[in-house]
Amino acid sequence: AQKITQTQPGMFVQEKEAVTLDCTYDTSDPSYGLFWYKQPSSGEMIFLIYQGSYDQQNATEGRYSLNFQKARKSANLVISASQLGDSAMYFCAMREGRYDYKLSFGAGTTVTVRA
Amino acid sequence: EAGVAQSPRYKIIEKRQSVAFWCNPISGHATLYWYQQILGQGPKLLIQFQNNGVVDDSQLPKDRFSAERLKGVDSTLKIQPAKLEDSAVYLCASSYGQGAIRKAFFGQGTRLTVV
Repeated sequence: AQKITQTQPGMFVQEKEAVTLDCTYDTSDPSYGLFWYKQPSSGEMIFLIYQGSYDQQNATEGRYSLNFQKARKSANLVISASQLGDSAMYFCAMREGRYDYKLSFGAGTTVTVRA
Repeated sequence: EAGVAQSPRYKIIEKRQSVAFWCNPISGHATLYWYQQILGQGPKLLIQFQNNGVVDDSQLPKDRFSAERLKGVDSTLKIQPAKLEDSAVYLCASSYGQGAIRKAFFGQGTRLTVV
């Protein structure tokens, strides 16, 4: 079974508007971490934001916020005030267990910001 | 702080040839990963090292892929012989064990084309 599901293959957003990228996950481990990475056309994976399974509040990092709904097993990324430089591929990923380090990635969502 | 270094950036080989990729992780990072990212998909873990020991190689096609991490620092990933379906970006990442987040830092990747 897929551990991470990203159902939106591509999205268009107008500059300065907000966009929400969907991510649902599947795990039976009570301890896990959820990550969002950005991958521009240059190829490197850039860390954006992290949410731990025991964190009480939704994570925020500048223009990025994570809408964590634990009961629904969803961890949607919200990018506010989109900029042209936000055009990239975005991946949701999960680390399971207290002592494991490896990440399972979703298929990604391509975001294109229009001027 | 220097990032994860990978070389080469690009490689084109014919099927049945061999190829090797090199990765230098961030100094002090005990955990090193190799991921394979096929075009249009999320990265898939091939192998994970903790210092110079293998933690997880369950997804590594061991009949053709091999990896080593000598002295717990640099790592090489080898494919011999290459197949057409090995065309992908090979991403190296590293992380350190402090804190719950255990964020992975990625290199720019090596884009392999097998013709």
